[in-house]
Amino acid sequence: AQSVTQLGSHVSVSEGALVLLRCNYSSSVPPYLFWYVQYPNQGLQLLLKYTSAATLVKGINGFEAEFKKSETSFHLTKPSAHMSDAAEYFCAVSDTGGYQKVTFGTGTKLQVIP
Amino acid sequence: EAGVAQSPRYKIIEKRQSVAFWCNPISGHATLYWYQQILGQGPKLLIQFQNNGVVDDSQLPKDRFSAERLKGVDSTLKIQPAKLEDSAVYLCASSLAGGPLETQYFGPGTRLLVL
Repeated sequence: AQSVTQLGSHVSVSEGALVLLRCNYSSSVPPYLFWYVQYPNQGLQLLLKYTSAATLVKGINGFEAEFKKSETSFHLTKPSAHMSDAAEYFCAVSDTGGYQKVTFGTGTKLQVIP
Repeated sequence: EAGVAQSPRYKIIEKRQSVAFWCNPISGHATLYWYQQILGQGPKLLIQFQNNGVVDDSQLPKDRFSAERLKGVDSTLKIQPAKLEDSAVYLCASSLAGGPLETQYFGPGTRLLVL
């Protein structure tokens, strides 16, 4: 079964610092991968997705993620953190065929310190 | 474009009581998902509908949970009887056709507390 592991349930960064949220996937073949963000008391919103078209994926709000098959990783980065980035981030994985069935990681809560 | 609507937003019940949640997906979306998100965990898929048919309900505790989407539009998720461990946020999401690369659009969720 597909799964993802997110390292670090809480990450704190200073405003303006690099954001790095880690995600490793477990799959026998490269899957589709997603990053979602959840702001307090809101539903999840898609940040970006890996579709095998390009290994570096750019998303909304200045975030990007790089797919590394050799490391089975799909880490999320943003060069400069903003206060509005404080939220919980979920990595997710899906098979590449049939109906979409997404398996989410346990989430990483990002705190941005002014 | 209106988003995914869910009600109620909050619900407190005692164990062994029943509860129902409602979801109205984005207009024209054929696929509807119900997720359970327990505190500190990622969302877990409970059931997936394609129009009014069930595509996947492998993780739905069928002895107490039920869901329907009778006309292929809005959906209801019911728990009867509720247990303490059902305390969670129940998220509804929809997508256009359920393809593997499609974006799922999530509602704000219903926060359930079982006492």
